[in-house]
Amino acid sequence: DTEVTQTPKHLVMGMTNKKSLKCEQHMGHRAMYWYKQKAKKPPELMFVYSYEKLSINESVPSRFSPECPNSSLLNLHLHALQPEDSALYLCASSLRGVVAGLAPLHFGNGTRLTVT
Amino acid sequence: AQKITQTQPGMFVQEKEAVTLDCTYDTSDPSYGLFWYKQPSSGEMIFLIYQGSYDQQNATEGRYSLNFQKARKSANLVISASQLGDSAMYFCAMREGNINDMRFGAGTRLTVKP
Repeated sequence: DTEVTQTPKHLVMGMTNKKSLKCEQHMGHRAMYWYKQKAKKPPELMFVYSYEKLSINESVPSRFSPECPNSSLLNLHLHALQPEDSALYLCASSLRGVVAGLAPLHFGNGTRLTVT
Repeated sequence: AQKITQTQPGMFVQEKEAVTLDCTYDTSDPSYGLFWYKQPSSGEMIFLIYQGSYDQQNATEGRYSLNFQKARKSANLVISASQLGDSAMYFCAMREGNINDMRFGAGTRLTVKP
């Protein structure tokens, strides 16, 4: 069982809908991540939060809006998405600080998003 | 900027045999970590093994070992005694010492034949 929990597992939404992806971890990690993965491609980094503050935004379109309400929770708010945004969205967490380079990311099982 | 290269889009191996998946990397940071992940068709990313840039010995975890050649900037994954359940996508990844992000190579699709 993964220690990072993502909900929902599957999501189908229209281009005018507003939805949110949720991620939760209780490992005490202070860095949390959103990745997007298209079929047969590697995960692509979208956002990184460090100590609940956004530290990396990989020039992601504003229709994706991340939020980190506390050290255990990470949300990704979706609005006016396009069909090409259909993908597997992966959340991850890790240790932060000088040991960050030594620490693996722990991934959730992902949310399979389909935009119609 | 860090860069990870996996040159084998697909690999086949006979059950019970060993297989090596290649990974080369490029970084100017002397402190970095190299990671291998397995992704079955279900989509979960499973952490397999880690190698730190200052580690003197190659990492091993059960049937997984990492052939770390620092001068050549390579970090190949060796899977011994392949099992049918090893069929999956395998990603090599890197983190630099004090940077939060992790970047992935293109991946290698491993198929284990019975």
